[in-house]
Amino acid sequence: QVQLQESGPGLVKPSQTLSLTCTVSGGSISSGNYYWNWIRQPAGKGLEWIGRVYTSGSSNYNPSLKSRVTISVDTSKNQVSLRLRSVTAADTAVYYCARGGGSWDWGQGTLVTVSS
Amino acid sequence: QTVVTQEPAFSVSPGGTVTLTCGLSSGSVSTSYYPSWYQQTPGQAPRTLIYNTNARSSGVPDRFSGSILGNKAALTITGAQADDESDYYCVLYMGTGIWVFGGGTKLTVL
Repeated sequence: QVQLQESGPGLVKPSQTLSLTCTVSGGSISSGNYYWNWIRQPAGKGLEWIGRVYTSGSSNYNPSLKSRVTISVDTSKNQVSLRLRSVTAADTAVYYCARGGGSWDWGQGTLVTVSS
Repeated sequence: QTVVTQEPAFSVSPGGTVTLTCGLSSGSVSTSYYPSWYQQTPGQAPRTLIYNTNARSSGVPDRFSGSILGNKAALTITGAQADDESDYYCVLYMGTGIWVFGGGTKLTVL
């Protein structure tokens, strides 16, 4: 059973870059025809898909975030990374990673607060 | 950008049946959108219930079922139980690698 664990700073200053890592355990990130998503959820609001990456490096992003987002994969570390540039308070949310390709498997999420 | 629509709130009596829907602001949902459904309780990560329109995720009771009804994707809960009280989200594949979530439905069981 694959497990996903998000990690990274819980507090980021406005205008800086939010960086998160999703560590995958219980299987190789390269096995199977999966892709790796990032999703976020502001407090009391709905889910927002941020983007996804395949282990080939091919990626797709939410058009509303595309100019600020980079999602990458490090197969040697079994990790997926999210970088969101020029953050504002509106980027404060719980960030989830999820394995896609059929039934999505979700991590537990990590709260990131953007504040000075 | 196309908006994915869901009922903001719904209620069902214990033991009853409820159908939640997932539509598009423009156009019809078909199996080509690979609709999926997620259940989320407060403070918890979402849990996958249904994927690819009607495939039940591992461990999900068979009282949860997915379908296409008219021009929308649908999640039907048969024999609702108290612990089904949750937020339910759908997601649709828009093509070109893009997924879009609906706004979610808050289901009350009372």
